[in-house]
Amino acid sequence: GAVVSQHPSRVICKSGTSVKIECRSLDFQATTMFWYRQFPKQSLMLMATSNEGSKATYEQGVEKDKFLINHASLTLSTLTVTSAHPEDSSFYICSAGTSGGATDTQYFGPGTRLTVL
Amino acid sequence: SQQGEEDPQALSIQEGENATMNCSYKTSINNLQWYRQNSGRGLVHLILIRSNEREKHSGRLRVTLDTSKKSSSLLITASRAADTASYFCATSSGGYQKVTFGTGTKLQVIP
Repeated sequence: GAVVSQHPSRVICKSGTSVKIECRSLDFQATTMFWYRQFPKQSLMLMATSNEGSKATYEQGVEKDKFLINHASLTLSTLTVTSAHPEDSSFYICSAGTSGGATDTQYFGPGTRLTVL
Repeated sequence: SQQGEEDPQALSIQEGENATMNCSYKTSINNLQWYRQNSGRGLVHLILIRSNEREKHSGRLRVTLDTSKKSSSLLITASRAADTASYFCATSSGGYQKVTFGTGTKLQVIP
C-alpha cells in the first residue's frame, strides 16, 4: 500500500524558533497533501491543503504567515512553524492523495509531535 | 469546523464483546471513512463506505451508512485488547479529496 512518511517524528524547540516538518509520499506521486493538527484528546483539524506547484489553501483561522507550506515536488510537502510558541505544541499529521482527484482514500503519515518550551 | 460528531465519546468493554460507535454529520457526502488511532500515533485507515452503499464489511468490522439520517456506525465484533484505540469517522464531499474528521470515540477493551 501507499506509504507516507514524516520527519522528524518528534521535535522539541525553544520558543521563538522555527521548525520544519517534512511529509513524503514514498511510493506514489501526490498532487495534493493535507496538513492536520491534533491537540491532546481532540480530533484532527485540517490546517491547509498543499498543491504541488501552487500556493497552499489555508483553513479559516490558520495563519498562513505562521504556518508556511511548500509543496515543491510530487512527493514532498513541508510545513514550517515560524516563531513557534508553546501554544503551537501539538501533533501535526500530513496526508497525501494520489493524482487524478478522484481517489477517495488519503494516506496518512505517522505524525510529528512538536513541543515548544 | 468539525463535520462529524461521534458517540459515545468513550467506551469501555470486556474482551470478546462487540463495540458500536456512531457518527453523525451535517452535509451531503461522497463517502465516509473510519480510522483508528493508537495513542500518540498516526492514523490507520479502516474502511470506506460510499454514499450509495448502505453496509460494508471488512473482517471483524461492519460499517453502516444512512444518508437520510446523515449517520454511520462502526461495529467491531469479538473485540480484542489490541482494538483499544481512538476511532474517528471522516467525511468527504464534493469532488475534492479533503476530509473532515469527527470528534472521535475512545475505545478501551479490557482483557
